[in-house]
Amino acid sequence: NAGVMQNPRHLVRRRGQEARLRCSPMKGHSHVYWYRQLPEEGLKFMVYLQKENIIDESGMPKERFSAEFPKEGPSILRIQQVVRGDSAAYFCASSPRGLSNTGELFFGEGSRLTVL
Amino acid sequence: KNQVEQSPQSLIILEGKNCTLQCNYTVSPFSNLRWYKQDTGRGPVSLTIMTFSENTKSNRRYTATLDADTKQSSLHITASQLSDSASYICVVSARYGGATNKLIFGTGTLLAVQP
Repeated sequence: NAGVMQNPRHLVRRRGQEARLRCSPMKGHSHVYWYRQLPEEGLKFMVYLQKENIIDESGMPKERFSAEFPKEGPSILRIQQVVRGDSAAYFCASSPRGLSNTGELFFGEGSRLTVL
Repeated sequence: KNQVEQSPQSLIILEGKNCTLQCNYTVSPFSNLRWYKQDTGRGPVSLTIMTFSENTKSNRRYTATLDADTKQSSLHITASQLSDSASYICVVSARYGGATNKLIFGTGTLLAVQP
């Protein structure tokens, strides 16, 4: 049973370009979470999705960032017109159910975005 | 404001020694507390999950404690190994509306185990 798969592991973009980060949850998991980790900082919640639905996007910047989790295929975190401040590690996590009580959360290895 | 604070920020110990990492939180309403291990360049891996009613929980050489009254937790590592070198992250889950929980992450304690 493969774990949470993220790609690309490393992505370099120039300012103004678009970045697309993909996440395939563990088999049987329908809940996906995206987190951002800046150097020397803790992980910060961005968005929580179930298949075809955004459940909580309270951590997403209002502009340039969007996320989706289509019926078929991986979840996508899209960053338009990237700026240097977007440089960070973006982690995806999945769970078989929501995080009620002791729901276990499984993380991918992260996608490291560098904006030149 | 919901916050999770960890201490020390970093720690260096010799192989074979024990150590204790601290976590204080102000998260409410509290649901559960988790400890994760994050190796450099990797994703976090769960060590323990503790609910309100649990005081101590062990997982191999890791023992976590929780005092829900003082809102403190500790992670004790016994007989450290070189492979224990990593960042240890305390994560507190807050209950928001029904069954939805939100995780608040500490910034981690960076542990270096030296031979």
